[in-house]
Amino acid sequence: GAGVSQSPSNKVTEKGKDVELRCDPISGHTALYWYRQSLGQGLEFLIYFQGNSAPDKSGLPSDRFSAERTGGSVSTLTIQRTQQEDSAVYLCASSTRVSGSGWGKNIQYFGAGTRLSVL
Amino acid sequence: GENVEQHPSTLSVQEGDSAVIKCTYSDSASNYFPWYKQELGKGPQLIIDIRSNVGEKKDQRIAVTLNKTAKHFSLHITETQPEDSAVYFCAASETSYDKVIFGPGTSLSVIP
Repeated sequence: GAGVSQSPSNKVTEKGKDVELRCDPISGHTALYWYRQSLGQGLEFLIYFQGNSAPDKSGLPSDRFSAERTGGSVSTLTIQRTQQEDSAVYLCASSTRVSGSGWGKNIQYFGAGTRLSVL
Repeated sequence: GENVEQHPSTLSVQEGDSAVIKCTYSDSASNYFPWYKQELGKGPQLIIDIRSNVGEKKDQRIAVTLNKTAKHFSLHITETQPEDSAVYFCAASETSYDKVIFGPGTSLSVIP
């Protein structure tokens, strides 16, 4: 399909283990975002990649969290030494600029998320 | 930085009634305001957006209004249907393609 793809859809891990979550954005989208959504909560911004610019990492909650985006496409979010409070749905979105009449906007297209459970 | 607040956090309406969700933002530089709908088990999806040079925009049963002076904007859903039940997020950003800041969400339940 042409949408944002995230894998795995579900991940169960033991406390202290490392996990990697993958995001395949829509082809051609220059921006990629990671969010965390705890049960019944809003969207917590984690990190933002825009083209070749340095990523905005201001939302990463601790140094156990890191993300990379290879070749301007696929992104991996890594959580080291997982804790139970890391349990949440991790959402990825990609976007591209839509221009018109001197205005631009970012329409974000979200994947279905990865549900992470840390036991 | 930008801060977006959203009210109410939960909303129940009878089918056919209207629903209104209100948001406020803090950064006067923000000039693009999208609304996203998240159905159970899915990622959020854009349903409507508004730019700061427009006071109101309508798309069938949904409409958004923006008061830039007061820094608040609202989503109005008329003739609600059960399939409108979802979590709705408002958001704000600058058109310089900065990251979008989301509100905390409103869980809307439409009772048949």
